[in-house]
Amino acid sequence: DTAVSQTPKYLVTQMGNDKSIKCEQNLGHDTMYWYKQDSKKFLKIMFSYNNKELIINETVPNRFSPKSPDKAHLNLHINSLELGDSAVYFCASSHARREQFFGPGTRLTVL
Amino acid sequence: AQTVTQSQPEMSVQEAETVTLSCTYDTSESDYYLFWYKQPPSRQMILVIRQEAYKQQNATENRFSVNFQKAAKSFSLKISDSQLGDAAMYFCAFLYSGGGADGLTFGKGTHLIIQP
Repeated sequence: DTAVSQTPKYLVTQMGNDKSIKCEQNLGHDTMYWYKQDSKKFLKIMFSYNNKELIINETVPNRFSPKSPDKAHLNLHINSLELGDSAVYFCASSHARREQFFGPGTRLTVL
Repeated sequence: AQTVTQSQPEMSVQEAETVTLSCTYDTSESDYYLFWYKQPPSRQMILVIRQEAYKQQNATENRFSVNFQKAAKSFSLKISDSQLGDAAMYFCAFLYSGGGADGLTFGKGTHLIIQP
């Protein structure tokens, strides 16, 4: 069973488009996260969310928005995609602020 | 805000030898967790080992162990009997254990090469 899954694994799109990446966890965790890994492999937190609060990294453009239909899902919506948005996006989850388990990542390429 | 520094962009070791990856961090917090994650070419992020700051005993997981020096804010990873499958990027990460839903703060990573 996949613990944290993301779809799609690869996403190629044109500048200006709107896209979404889905994330689901079946671990019963209470907190989910989105990270961005740039071309130099640097990982940075974008959002963290549990049923009480959403914490947004202040450097994330407001074109990015997380949406959580329920505790097991945290989807990432991106509006008006730009070339600089090309990266690998990871979803992760954790319980009670312990270790985080990551999804397989989504490689986004903006042309 | 906390920072994590990995000063070795790349390390190389012979198969079956031991290698140590360095990590230092800066924080004003006293309660936190430290982690090492492995990212092979498949890009999957895999948890290698975890250390709670309040524990003096260094964590070990089979061939992987850490040297946690809280006063020096140092958290190195030792890999014994290196295997070809250990080749990957290794990331050191910090997590504040206080309230809120903060994410991990990562170092820039160390690319580990295993020479057969």
